[in-house]
Amino acid sequence: AQRVTQPEKLLSVFKGAPVELKCNYSYSGSPELFWYVQYSRQRLQLLLRHISRESIKGFTADLNKGETSFHLKKPFAQEEDSAMYYCALRTGGYNKLIFGAGTRLAVHP
Amino acid sequence: KAGVTQTPRYLIKTRGQQVTLSCSPISGHRSVSWYQQTPGQGLQFLFEYFSETQRNKGNFPGRFSGRQFSNSRSEMNVSTLELGDSALYLCASSSEPGGGNSPLHFGNGTRLTVT
Repeated sequence: AQRVTQPEKLLSVFKGAPVELKCNYSYSGSPELFWYVQYSRQRLQLLLRHISRESIKGFTADLNKGETSFHLKKPFAQEEDSAMYYCALRTGGYNKLIFGAGTRLAVHP
Repeated sequence: KAGVTQTPRYLIKTRGQQVTLSCSPISGHRSVSWYQQTPGQGLQFLFEYFSETQRNKGNFPGRFSGRQFSNSRSEMNVSTLELGDSALYLCASSSEPGGGNSPLHFGNGTRLTVT
């Protein structure tokens, strides 16, 4: 079955500390993976997609097919990074995203 | 460009009633998807429409239905409401039906409360 696992419900760090939000997926084919972010009182928005291999707001994510992971990383967390982060898997050429449960990132001053 | 617009923002209905939610995609986007978000189940895919045709459906009962109009606007209907249907319903649009360089853009959602 296709599944996305985000093992941490809450990740609490201090400003300037490195951040890694974990995401593992289960899919036998060729996956498309995304990170979506939801800031307080804002809509869900795309942060990163694996095919772009880009860095957005200092965040990067690398698809590791061997470990079936797509962890989100940032070397130095900022307070404005505090938000809910969702990892999502898209398969089969449809706009059906399978979301993880989400990880709340709290960055403290 | 205006984002995805969902109306109404909030709805309160009684068990057994039916409800219709509306979504206007980003101009030029022809794919519209619907998701249900609840604290217990998280974000779950309901269905996707492209060019007025349902392309894919999630694992929801037949009480949940939708349609898409020729201008790409979409509506979602839930009949015989149950308490468990209380959720945030999100609409997302995309320029393509899936795959490739076409991420989803989400609306703010409609918060449905069933009493």
